[in-house]
Amino acid sequence: QVQLVESGGGVVQPGRSLRLSCAASGFTLSTYGIHWVRQAPGKGLEWVAVIWYDGSNKLYADPVKGRFTISRDNSKNTVYLQMNSLRVEDTAVYYCARPEYDSSGFYSYFDLWGRGTLVTVSS
Amino acid sequence: DIQMTQSPSSLSASVGDRVTITCRASQSISSYLNWYQQKPGKAPKLLMYAASNLQSGVPPRFSGSGSGTDFTLTISSLQPEDFATYYCQLSYSTLYTFGQGTKLEI
Repeated sequence: QVQLVESGGGVVQPGRSLRLSCAASGFTLSTYGIHWVRQAPGKGLEWVAVIWYDGSNKLYADPVKGRFTISRDNSKNTVYLQMNSLRVEDTAVYYCARPEYDSSGFYSYFDLWGRGTLVTVSS
Repeated sequence: DIQMTQSPSSLSASVGDRVTITCRASQSISSYLNWYQQKPGKAPKLLMYAASNLQSGVPPRFSGSGSGTDFTLTISSLQPEDFATYYCQLSYSTLYTFGQGTKLEI
C-alpha cells in the first residue's frame, strides 16, 4: 500500500526539541522529494520545508528557518524533521507530503499525504 | 513573496447548488496553481493541478480554470460529501504557498 506515515509528535515545553519522522511504504522514497506542511488548530495549511530526493537541497519557510532541519535516510525510507527551540506558535498537526509532476514536468502538486502527527508546545 | 488570497472565506450552500471559489495571486503565477479538499481530522486531498487538470479519481463535477493571477474552482452540483474546506496552492520553483482556505458549509 502506497502511504506516508508520520510519527514523533507529542507535548513539549517551549524551547525544547522534537524529531518527527515520515516513513514511506509502497513506493521508492529515494526518487521523491518530501515536504512538511503544518496546520495549527483551527487554521489553514502552512508549508514548512522540503528536501530534494537525494538530500542535495533543502528549503525552509521563514518562521522555522534556523530552528528546524529536514533530513532523510533513503535506506530506511524515512524523512525527518528536527525541530529545535520550539515555540507555542509551532503547535500544529504536521503532515508530510509527496510531490508529483505532470507529464510535462513543469507542474508539481502534492499527491500523497500522511495522516499527520500532532505537536503541542506548551508549558 | 507571492500571496495567495481565497474568497470567500466561508460559503453556505445546498446540495445541488453550483459553487465557485476564487483564488487570487499577488502576482502572475501562470498556471502553477493546485486545489485541495480537506475534511475535518483528515489530510488534504488533491483535486486539481496546473489550474485546470482534474486529478485521477476526482469526480468531474469539479473543474478549475484561470491563469496569471485569477483562478476558480467550480463544483457544478454539490453533493453531501463536498462539504469541506478548500485550499488553493502555488507550487512553482521554490514557492509552495497555500491560500487561507474556503470553508464550504451547508
